[in-house]
Amino acid sequence: KNQVEQSPQSLIILEGKNCTLQCNYTVSPFSNLRWYKQDTGRGPVSLTIMTFSENTKSNGRYTATLDADTKQSSLHITASQLSDSASYICVVSEYSGGGADGLTFGKGTHLIIQP
Amino acid sequence: DTGVSQDPRHKITKRGQNVTFRCDPISEHNRLYWYRQTLGQGPEFLTYFQNEAQLEKSRLLSDRFSAERPKGSFSTLEIQRTEQGDSAMYLCASSSQAANTGELFFGEGSRLTVL
Repeated sequence: KNQVEQSPQSLIILEGKNCTLQCNYTVSPFSNLRWYKQDTGRGPVSLTIMTFSENTKSNGRYTATLDADTKQSSLHITASQLSDSASYICVVSEYSGGGADGLTFGKGTHLIIQP
Repeated sequence: DTGVSQDPRHKITKRGQNVTFRCDPISEHNRLYWYRQTLGQGPEFLTYFQNEAQLEKSRLLSDRFSAERPKGSFSTLEIQRTEQGDSAMYLCASSSQAANTGELFFGEGSRLTVL
C-alpha cells in the first residue's frame, strides 16, 4: 500500500531559527513529490516539486531535498518567520500527468513559530 | 481573482439536513477534485472529474455523497442526511491536464459543522 509518513507531527520553534521537516514514502512507481503549505483555515498552496532526477531545490527560504533511493524528502526552512506558521503537507505522485488516483497525501507537519 | 473559489466558506447545519457546496475551478483547468480534511489530518480524496466525466470516486464515500460537474466547469458536492461525522473542511482543487505538471490548485475550502 502506498504511504507517505511525515515527521514530526508538530513542531514549535522560535522566530529566526531554522527547522527541517521530514517525509518518507513507499509510493511506487514514483513520478514526483510536492510540498504544500497550508495556512490555518485555508487551502494548501504548492511550495516546490521534486522529480526523480532532482536532489535539491530552493524557493526563497525553503529548500527541499529528495533521496529517491531511500525514498526520503526533507523541507528545510531558514530564518523562520511568524508567517511560516502553517501545516506542511508532502504529496507523492505516481504519474507525471496528475490524476487523483496517483496522489498520496501525508498527514502534514504542524509548524508553529513563536516570537 | 482567478483562483479556485468555493462557496459557502462556512456552513452550520443540523443532523439530517442536506447541504450543497459549490466549486468554481480555474477557468482553463479541465480537472477538478474534491477532498475532505479533518483537524490534524491531510486531505482525503473524495472524487475526481476530468471535464464533465466523474472518473473516480473514493470507496470511502457513502451513498449520501454525490458530486456533479454538468458542463465541465463548476462542480457541486451534495451531502444528504448529514451526520456529525461529516463535520470537516471540504476542499476543491483543479489542475490542467495540458500543463502536465500534476500541480493541484486548491480553493479556500468549505467548512461544515453538523450539530
